[in-house]
Amino acid sequence: DTGVSQDPRHKITKRGQNVTFRCDPISEHNRLYWYRQTLGQGPEFLTYFQNEAQLEKSRLLSDRFSAERPKGSFSTLEIQRTEQGDSAMYLCASNKDRGSADTQYFGPGTRLTVL
Amino acid sequence: GDSVTQMEGPVTLSEEAFLTINCTYTATGYPSLFWYVQYPGEGLQLLLKATKADDKGSNKGFEATYRKETTSFHLEKGSVQVSDSAVYFCALSDGNSGYSTLTFGKGTMLLVSP
Repeated sequence: DTGVSQDPRHKITKRGQNVTFRCDPISEHNRLYWYRQTLGQGPEFLTYFQNEAQLEKSRLLSDRFSAERPKGSFSTLEIQRTEQGDSAMYLCASNKDRGSADTQYFGPGTRLTVL
Repeated sequence: GDSVTQMEGPVTLSEEAFLTINCTYTATGYPSLFWYVQYPGEGLQLLLKATKADDKGSNKGFEATYRKETTSFHLEKGSVQVSDSAVYFCALSDGNSGYSTLTFGKGTMLLVSP
């Protein structure tokens, strides 16, 4: 396994701009998750895909956020009209369809700074 | 809803000292429990897990036992090393929803000095 990869690793943007992040999960992993981690906090769940279907979204995911996984492989997370409060580390994780005991494997994250 | 509470850090220890990081949880179902570790500049890595009551997870000298009666999953290591310096996150996955999303604690920073 090559592991979960995320791109870019760092993004600095001005308030009001749109940003898009990419996540490539471990191959053959059906489930893909996005989390957000702010300084001094644990990761918080944002959204979840099983194959190409987005099955759950957290209340944290405002309408400025949109996520896709068009072919059931890589995923993108877009934030429109960024705000300073969006500054955080955005983490992607993946696992196989085996239930709650299955380990989620995390990528290195994309650190977003909104000026 | 589900929640995880960890002891606040930083925890500062000398090399070879005994480590305990407390973790308690609240969940509606029968969760699986995890400890993840985040080394400086790196992503989250699974350290160990336990999927049912009284299970003990272990890895790299770390251990944690799933205690349903006290809703706890405390992390222990008998002799820490400088290389164990990292942030440790306790987490649960509640399968009730069918989606297995993780709920994390706030993390505990461990600093080990030579």
